[in-house]
Amino acid sequence: AQSVTQLGSHVSVSEGALVLLRCNYSSSVPPYLFWYVQYPNQGLQLLLKYTSAATLVKGINGFEAEFKKSETSFHLTKPSAHMSDAAEYFCAVTHRNSGNTPLVFGKGTRLSVIA
Amino acid sequence: EAQVTQNPRYLITVTGKKLTVTCSQNMNHEYMSWYRQDPGLGLRQIYYSMNVEVTDKGDVPEGYKVSRKEKRNFPLILESPSPNQTSLYFCASRMTTNPYNEQFFGPGTRLTVL
Repeated sequence: AQSVTQLGSHVSVSEGALVLLRCNYSSSVPPYLFWYVQYPNQGLQLLLKYTSAATLVKGINGFEAEFKKSETSFHLTKPSAHMSDAAEYFCAVTHRNSGNTPLVFGKGTRLSVIA
Repeated sequence: EAQVTQNPRYLITVTGKKLTVTCSQNMNHEYMSWYRQDPGLGLRQIYYSMNVEVTDKGDVPEGYKVSRKEKRNFPLILESPSPNQTSLYFCASRMTTNPYNEQFFGPGTRLTVL
């Protein structure tokens, strides 16, 4: 079975500071990993995905994540936080399969950005 | 505009009163699924469909039904809602079962069962 652990249900950073949201996964097969963002009262939007190509993945809005197999991690970073980054972020894992391939989500991390 | 739509967005109902939440996508996607989101639990899959007339249970299917008579529509049916089904529900679609394809989410339906 696959699972995702997001460390920290709430992270608070100052505007302009580094954003680091942590995600560790568990998977017995090569994983596909995703980060989604959810703004208040909206659905989930894909930020970036890792699907076994480059280990450093760049996404939208200046976010990037690095796949580290040895650490089973896929942490999300952004060099400089902006007020508009305040949202809830979800890490998710799945894998290549001929059948159902649901996304298995972490519990989410709420990011607050302080002016 | 490519999108997944859900209706209603908000619903308050009472225990035992049957309800349907509609989901429609305009991207000709084969794969559709329903998730529920609860605080501290993230999103969990309820049901999924790999194509028309092909549906199956996800991780938390108890108390729910679905149907897929047309490719674009995937309604979620609660035959006899109970308070533990109070949650935020998301419909999602993807081009195929291949997880490389981006999964698109609807705006969500907030359901309260009294």
